[in-house]
Amino acid sequence: GENVEQHPSTLSVQEGDSAVIKCTYSDSASNYFPWYKQELGKRPQLIIDIRSNVGEKKDQRIAVTLNKTAKHFSLHITETQPEDSAVYFCAASNAGNMLTFGGGTRLMVKP
Amino acid sequence: DAGVIQSPRHEVTEMGQEVTLRCKPISGHNSLFWYRQTMMRGLELLIYFNNNVPIDDSGMPEDRFSAKMPNASFSTLKIQPSEPRDSAVYFCASRNDRSNQPQHFGDGTRLSIL
Repeated sequence: GENVEQHPSTLSVQEGDSAVIKCTYSDSASNYFPWYKQELGKRPQLIIDIRSNVGEKKDQRIAVTLNKTAKHFSLHITETQPEDSAVYFCAASNAGNMLTFGGGTRLMVKP
Repeated sequence: DAGVIQSPRHEVTEMGQEVTLRCKPISGHNSLFWYRQTMMRGLELLIYFNNNVPIDDSGMPEDRFSAKMPNASFSTLKIQPSEPRDSAVYFCASRNDRSNQPQHFGDGTRLSIL
């Protein structure tokens, strides 16, 4: 089955700096890669996703890149703000149903 | 849009008791997922239904766990008998795969087995 590795497990940045979180996946059949943000005690919320027919997608301060050949994808957050502090999860699936999640990255943005 | 609705939000019970978690998916969504989240194992898919039919239950830890979806607007996850190691947050999520939409999560049930 699919295996998703996520790094780093914790990331501390200064407000205004950029943050990058990286994930690798094992199943070459995976074609859908969402990113979820989970605040303490809350549900995971989708922040951005990418399908395998594109290499990059951007939404305001958030961007995701995908390298199908290397089987890795990354989340980039620019101009970080304290409210970006949360746990971020990457995931991979074939067609969007059976999501396999990475282990999560705890992002701390220091004011 | 009411979102995915789960109940109860919190459940504390003694080991050996039966626990039933409930989920109402977003109206119109035809796929439903049960996840378990723990510090040690992260977010794990337990089972998913498509059009009320269980498609993959390979993540269900053991026979003490069972899930049903009697209709398009309701699903249950049952643990009988419960054990302390079942303590976790259980999330339900739903999706409309006919329009290739992402999964939306409910607020979860925090389960503590004493």
